[in-house]
Amino acid sequence: NAGVMQNPRHLVRRRGQEARLRCSPMKGHSHVYWYRQLPEEGLKFMVYLQKENIIDESGMPKERFSAEFPKEGPSILRIQQVVRGDSAAYFCASSPKGYFGEQFFGPGTRLTVL
Amino acid sequence: SQQGEEDPQALSIQEGENATMNCSYKTSINNLQWYRQNSGRGLVHLILIRSNEREKHSGRLRVTLDTSKKSSSLLITASRAADTASYFCATDPDSGGGADGLTFGKGTHLIIQP
Repeated sequence: NAGVMQNPRHLVRRRGQEARLRCSPMKGHSHVYWYRQLPEEGLKFMVYLQKENIIDESGMPKERFSAEFPKEGPSILRIQQVVRGDSAAYFCASSPKGYFGEQFFGPGTRLTVL
Repeated sequence: SQQGEEDPQALSIQEGENATMNCSYKTSINNLQWYRQNSGRGLVHLILIRSNEREKHSGRLRVTLDTSKKSSSLLITASRAADTASYFCATDPDSGGGADGLTFGKGTHLIIQP
């Protein structure tokens, strides 16, 4: 049973470009969470999604950031017009339907904005 | 504001010694979890303690929870070099809704010296 998969593992973008980060949850998991981690910091919650629905996006910046979890395919975190301050590690986690507790984390995508 | 705050920020001990890390939080919770993160890697779930539990053990790990003080501690006994990592506490707020994003502290960086 494969764990949470994220790709790419490393992504380099120039200022103004778009970044697309993908997350495939564990098999059987229908809850997906995105977190951002700045250097030497803990993870900050961004958004919580279920299939085709955004449940909680209270941690998402108001502009340039969007997320989706379509019926088919991975969850996508999209950052438009990236700026240097977007450089961080972005982690995706998943949990089973209706389960309150442990979240299973992917290896993260390290975004560097030049 | 930061929900989970770990203390100390960094801890260096000799192999074989015990390591104790503390976590304080602000709001009422469903559960509190501890995760480990090796440098440049994703998070690994260590242990979950529910709000109605006071102590929990898992191998060399012992977690306590004091909801009256809104604090938790993680004890790693007989430390090994492989325990070198950052340790984060994460709270699952009692918001009355479904599975939510976790709130992480900044972590304790533990170094085990051989």
